[in-house]
Order: sequence, then C-alpha cells, then structure tokens
Amino acid sequence: SQTIHQWPATLVQPVGSPLSLECTVEGTSNPNLYWYRQAAGRGLQLLFYSVGIGQISSEVPQNLSASRPQDRQFILSSKKLLLSDSGFYLCAWSPVSSGNTIYFGEGSWLTVV
Amino acid sequence: GQQLNQSPQSMFIQEGEDVSMNCTSSSIFNTWLWYKQEPGEGPVLLIALYKAGELTSNGRLTAQFGITRKDSFLNISASIPSDVGIYFCAGQNRSGNTPLVFGKGTRLSVIA
Repeated sequence: SQTIHQWPATLVQPVGSPLSLECTVEGTSNPNLYWYRQAAGRGLQLLFYSVGIGQISSEVPQNLSASRPQDRQFILSSKKLLLSDSGFYLCAWSPVSSGNTIYFGEGSWLTVV
Repeated sequence: GQQLNQSPQSMFIQEGEDVSMNCTSSSIFNTWLWYKQEPGEGPVLLIALYKAGELTSNGRLTAQFGITRKDSFLNISASIPSDVGIYFCAGQNRSGNTPLVFGKGTRLSVIA
C-alpha cells in the first residue's frame, strides 16, 4: 500500500532563517506531488505541484520554493522565512493515472518568530 | 480561477442530530471529493464521487454528486462527538494532472 511521510512535524524558526520541509511517498511510482499551506483555522492553499522529477508548478507568488530531486521526494524550501510563512504545511500525492484523488501527509507546523 | 463555495462555514449541533453541508462551483466538475481534517492532522478522504447524480455512503456519511455537476452535498446522520473536525469539499473539472480545487471548509462542533 502507498504511504506518505513528511517531516519535521513541528518547527519554530526565527525570521530570516532558511526552511526545508521534506516529503516522501512509498509504494507508488511517478506520483503527482503537492504542497499545501493552511493558516490557522483556514482553508487549504495550493502552493506547488509536480507531475514529474524536476517539474514544478507554482500556484502563488511567495517566499517559498519547491524541488523534486527524486521521483517520490518533494521538498519545500525558503532562503529567508517571513512571519507570514507561519502555518500548517501539508504534502500530498495523487496517482499518475488520475489527478482526482489526493492523499495527504500528516502535516508540519511551522511557527516563524 | 475556479471557485468553490462551501457552506456553512461552521456548525454547532447536538449529539444525535443530522448534519448537512454543501459545495457549489462556478464551473462543471467531473469529480467531487469530501475530506475530514481533525486538529493537527492532514485531511483524510471520506467519499469520492465520479458521476453526476451519484449517491455514495460511507457508514453514517452520505454524499451526492449534483445532477448539474456544479454542486455536491455531504450528510452525516446521528452525529457523535468524534465527528468533530473540518470538512472540505474538493473538485476537479477535467481529468489528468489538474490540481483539485478545495472549498474553505465547514467546521463541525458536536455538543454531547
């Protein structure tokens, strides 16, 4: 069966520091991969999605970037965090045959102080 | 861009009551999905709908794909405390690699 893991689960970072959140998927090949952000008590905002290695689509201009160095690995990064980057970050995947059903990871809480 | 209007934004109900929430779209969708998110966790898929008019149940949950393909509803019967969470609808208007569009969620609180 397929599994998705992301880490770290929580982190507190000072303003201006770098960020790296990592996500891996097991049990499938060539998945579509996604990064979402959720502000406290709010909806899900799609940040990036990828349909293949090195292929990244950005949905909103921001202080963040994403990379997909391997088929089942998706990384969310920032060179200098802002206070507004705080939130709950969710990695997700969907089968290559259909982008319809998305499966989410456990989430990562980021607090920028 | 596509918009999904999900309502209500929040609900406070008594344990044992039935719950109904819905989503409407400005465009036709081929797929409707319903997710539940509990505090501090990622959303979990509850029900997936792929055909207009489709009615699907998952335990006490029932969801329908509207016949116009622009709406969907989720019903929860005989609510219990563990139903608490945020429920999200999501839709996609064509097959392939187009990302899902998510509603803003319905926050459900159940009073025992």
